Amino acid sequence: SQQGEEDPQALSIQEGENATMNCSYKTSINNLQWYRQNSGRGLVHLILIRSNEREKHSGRLRVTLDTSKKSSSLLITASRAADTASYFCATDPTGANSKLTFGKGITLSVRP
Amino acid sequence: EADIYQTPRYLVIGTGKKITLECSQTMGHDKMYWYQQDPGMELHLIHYSYGVNSTEKGDLSSESTVSRIRTEHFPLTLESARPSHTSQYLCASSEYMSGYEQYFGPGTRLTVT
Repeated sequence: SQQGEEDPQALSIQEGENATMNCSYKTSINNLQWYRQNSGRGLVHLILIRSNEREKHSGRLRVTLDTSKKSSSLLITASRAADTASYFCATDPTGANSKLTFGKGITLSVRP
Repeated sequence: EADIYQTPRYLVIGTGKKITLECSQTMGHDKMYWYQQDPGMELHLIHYSYGVNSTEKGDLSSESTVSRIRTEHFPLTLESARPSHTSQYLCASSEYMSGYEQYFGPGTRLTVT
């Protein structure tokens, strides 16, 4: 079964609002990554957080990681219509030698 | 922008045909991957490679085969396409930076009629 489970499955917000997406996983990891996928396209890497990090920022993105709860959250602040996409968390399990395990994805719709 | 390319982007083909999906990257990455993704669904790893002459099957059983004769090239072949092979196929590559971030191509959407 897939390691990463995102929550919620779908999210609809108004432009300017913040979007929070959650990911839970099952085994120990080297790092956790978030990706975005626009409809019909490949995935784009957004941000990586290592297992010894608790929080990381990149532009309007903020990622947290709680290894004791095996969970992560992605916060997109001041959302824009262009943020409409599917978002996936991916874990790099220890011992998996560069094979990532992707979750099922969250569909984010940002209404203008 | 990732330098990883997939051709064709869209392919509609009849049952029983042999097809090859091309994937090339110019980043010199040793590791390459093929994923299968149905619409609105999670990615499933079907093949991966750690370098030239190295190929392994992924977590999802697939009737496709791959080869890795050159670092930059990782084609996927279906000897006899079936409607059950209809899906989106995504190619990716990675190298260790802060972790194994993967760079994805735009995908090939395959429809077998």
